[in-house]
Amino acid sequence: TQLLEQSPQFLSIQEGENLTVYCNSSSVFSSLQWYRQEPGEGPVLLVTVVTGGEVKKLKRLTFQFGDARKDSSLHITAAQPGDTGLYLCAGDAGGGNKLTFGTGTQLKVEL
Amino acid sequence: DVKVTQSSRYLVKRTGEKVFLECVQDMDHENMFWYRQDPGLGLRLIYFSYDVKMKEKGDIPEGYSVSREKKERFSLILESASTNQTSMYLCASTRSRGLAGELFFGEGSRLTVL
Repeated sequence: TQLLEQSPQFLSIQEGENLTVYCNSSSVFSSLQWYRQEPGEGPVLLVTVVTGGEVKKLKRLTFQFGDARKDSSLHITAAQPGDTGLYLCAGDAGGGNKLTFGTGTQLKVEL
Repeated sequence: DVKVTQSSRYLVKRTGEKVFLECVQDMDHENMFWYRQDPGLGLRLIYFSYDVKMKEKGDIPEGYSVSREKKERFSLILESASTNQTSMYLCASTRSRGLAGELFFGEGSRLTVL
């Protein structure tokens, strides 16, 4: 079983700060997804990256897939309280939708 | 609006009881999944199904079984619940079987086994 380690596990910041969440593995993935989960809800897909070195932007969120397709990062600029939630990366090792999920990063953005 | 519905949001059961968790999706998706979510461990795959009456073990199938009699419904069964099965259970579905498509999740079922 491939492992995806996320860091940090917890992050508490003030509104307006920038932050980066990391997702690392020793395995190669054909694609990698990022989800956000709010309390009492299931995870919701934010983005999918498929090409090594790919960068995708979603408003204030920037996602990058590592050149070797073993790692990814999520950068949030000027965080807002609405960004609060659990961020999960999930990698596809090519097994047809059998995703491996990361350990999760719990983000809290305070006013 | 696409929807994955889990039958129970909260359940409390006793050790040894049989537990059924039901999941229904209205998107005509072929693929359905059951995950359990525990703090610091992310989501771990229990079982998945690519077609009716078909099932495959995930990473942590011990103590669980599943049933998929209809395309839209995927049930998770705990034959004899134990305290270490206290967890949040998430059902998900997706259409594509090739490159990983978007997983649509239910709201989760929080199970407590006493």
